[in-house]
Amino acid sequence: RKEVEQDPGPFNVPEGATVAFNCTYSNSASQSFFWYRQDCRKEPKLLMSVYSSGNEDGRFTAQLNRASQYISLLIRDSKLSDSATYLCVVKIGGSYIPTFGRGTSLIVHP
Amino acid sequence: NAGVTQTPKFQVLKTGQSMTLQCAQDMNHNSMYWYRQDPGMGLRLIYYSASEGTTDKGEVPNGYNVSRLNKREFSLRLESAAPSQTSVYFCASSANPRDTIYFGEGSWLTVV
Repeated sequence: RKEVEQDPGPFNVPEGATVAFNCTYSNSASQSFFWYRQDCRKEPKLLMSVYSSGNEDGRFTAQLNRASQYISLLIRDSKLSDSATYLCVVKIGGSYIPTFGRGTSLIVHP
Repeated sequence: NAGVTQTPKFQVLKTGQSMTLQCAQDMNHNSMYWYRQDPGMGLRLIYYSASEGTTDKGEVPNGYNVSRLNKREFSLRLESAAPSQTSVYFCASSANPRDTIYFGEGSWLTVV
């Protein structure tokens, strides 16, 4: 089983739709969680950190479920500009090595 | 507002040639990383440096060497390039293990 797993998609949604991605992780010692966004031929950039209590940033909401070992990203009112690959990142406590999922591709169409 | 800077951005090498990818960060971060990204494979860690003076192998270190020259700089060397090393290479840094990772813009390397 991979340490961090994501559905590669693509998720193909119309503008204005709500879409959610999940990311499962296998190591229960994982302590830090992040969602990154990567545009085609660009570097990954931090979208948001994921906190235990869940957190929201505008149209984006991230949740952590430690019992089931997954994190989620919800995007409301999708925009064309949201089209990208979304990477889940997990860091195990005390480890210097972040573990990346392979990413979920989102395509928002008019 | 530089963040993580990588050079060169594009490079074409012949099989067997050597080259060094340079990376520098101006955020006073302790940890630095080199990744490669191939279609369908996601990001794979080549080497990392937890702090100045230390380096460790990641998932795919074969064919590469690294140098943490000082706190700011972390270079990746290909001693004898092979076509299998054609990839996009990203350098990254973070302040400490629990913190956000920041990436450079990437270096596109083609080995022919």
